[in-house]
Amino acid sequence: NAGVTQTPKFRILKIGQSMTLQCTQDMNHNYMYWYRQDPGMGLKLIYYSVGAGITDKGEVPNGYNVSRSTTEDFPLRLELAAPSQTSVYFCASSHRRDRGFEQYFGPGTRLTVT
Amino acid sequence: AQTVTQSQPEMSVQEAETVTLSCTYDTSESDYYLFWYKQPPSRQMILVIRQEAYKQQNATENRFSVNFQKAAKSFSLKISDSQLGDAAMYFCAYKFAGTYKYIFGTGTRLKVLA
Repeated sequence: NAGVTQTPKFRILKIGQSMTLQCTQDMNHNYMYWYRQDPGMGLKLIYYSVGAGITDKGEVPNGYNVSRSTTEDFPLRLELAAPSQTSVYFCASSHRRDRGFEQYFGPGTRLTVT
Repeated sequence: AQTVTQSQPEMSVQEAETVTLSCTYDTSESDYYLFWYKQPPSRQMILVIRQEAYKQQNATENRFSVNFQKAAKSFSLKISDSQLGDAAMYFCAYKFAGTYKYIFGTGTRLKVLA
């Protein structure tokens, strides 16, 4: 049981490039989330999903896209990378209500856009 | 809009002593969850403790306990017998009732002094 895995761990992008951050969970959780964490700040919700085929915007969705074709995978797409997207990105998944909605986090991806 | 405030950017505690981290939140909801997450230098987010708003009893997990004051909208974390391994960023989080969105505070950095 690997929990939530994210790839890559680190990445440097040039301005205008695109990339996909991968996230996979093996706990059969319906709910998955993408957050970004800027230095000295808390986590900001980018997008979330309540099940395969269903996604919705969080607080800071601009510049990102997501898809959820399977229960396990929830990739985050960055189009036309900008320096403002330099951050640490966390993927998370959570139980249903009967388990208190505890979130399980991946190890994070540190992205630098220069 | 709901907010979570952690007013202590940094705290220090002597090993084996007790420390309390503060968290306040603003909501008009009556049914919600509150969480404390720990983020050590490895960046991995780890759930420390969870509190359901409808439960009056304060949650406890070994050396970690909370003081949940619903009317005051306060949710503080007490760490007893502090250990060097407790050194980390601690985030308070609030989950909206009826949705899957979480709001995180900006964090408190805890230093444990030997």
